[in-house]
Amino acid sequence: GAVVSQHPSRVICKSGTSVKIECRSLDFQATTMFWYRQFPKKSLMLMATSNEGSKATYEQGVEKDKFLINHASLTLSTLTVTSAHPEDSSFYICSAPTSGPSNEQFFGPGTRLTVL
Amino acid sequence: SQQGEEDPQALSIQEGENATMNCSYKTSINNLQWYRQNSGRGLVHLILIRSNEREKHSGRLRVTLDTSKKSSSLLITASRAADTASYFCATGRNQAGTALIFGKGTTLSVSS
Repeated sequence: GAVVSQHPSRVICKSGTSVKIECRSLDFQATTMFWYRQFPKKSLMLMATSNEGSKATYEQGVEKDKFLINHASLTLSTLTVTSAHPEDSSFYICSAPTSGPSNEQFFGPGTRLTVL
Repeated sequence: SQQGEEDPQALSIQEGENATMNCSYKTSINNLQWYRQNSGRGLVHLILIRSNEREKHSGRLRVTLDTSKKSSSLLITASRAADTASYFCATGRNQAGTALIFGKGTTLSVSS
């Protein structure tokens, strides 16, 4: 089946630095991808919708200047956490919808971000 | 935003027992999906049930949907230690290609 990859799987950075996370659809094209954040023992919260060729759509309460999203091609979306702080430490997961009407999604394996 | 509640939040059972998890949602849907997440990993799609279906089976999984009550249940029969994971229900915004809204999840522990 279709696969979505994320890179890196884990990243540890110092406070104030920026971190880029990549989400790739490996054998299908995705004009739309979604970014979620998941805190420990919590559910996934939608952060933004990444649209190929246009601006991302952010959920209420998500700072677009802090979480920069670029959907550079039909197989790649990137999330950059700018000036990261410890409270940004979280598990970031991307997904891409399958073709067809069901809205089933393929999820990446996630990226664990730890900001010191 | 989150779609609704799942209960129980945590469930501990012995191998061989059945596990039932429930999910409620708030908005109208055209389908509801269940996903599984092993600790620190991504999500794996388990099963999708459409709004015009009441029950669906896949291997040891049985999902029911009651649109009048806006609720769904996931039953795992003859559980195994490998079923230990978190389980989430998710609904879309009634349109293909839109983001999923997840419930809070049930953490299942199956001990051998």
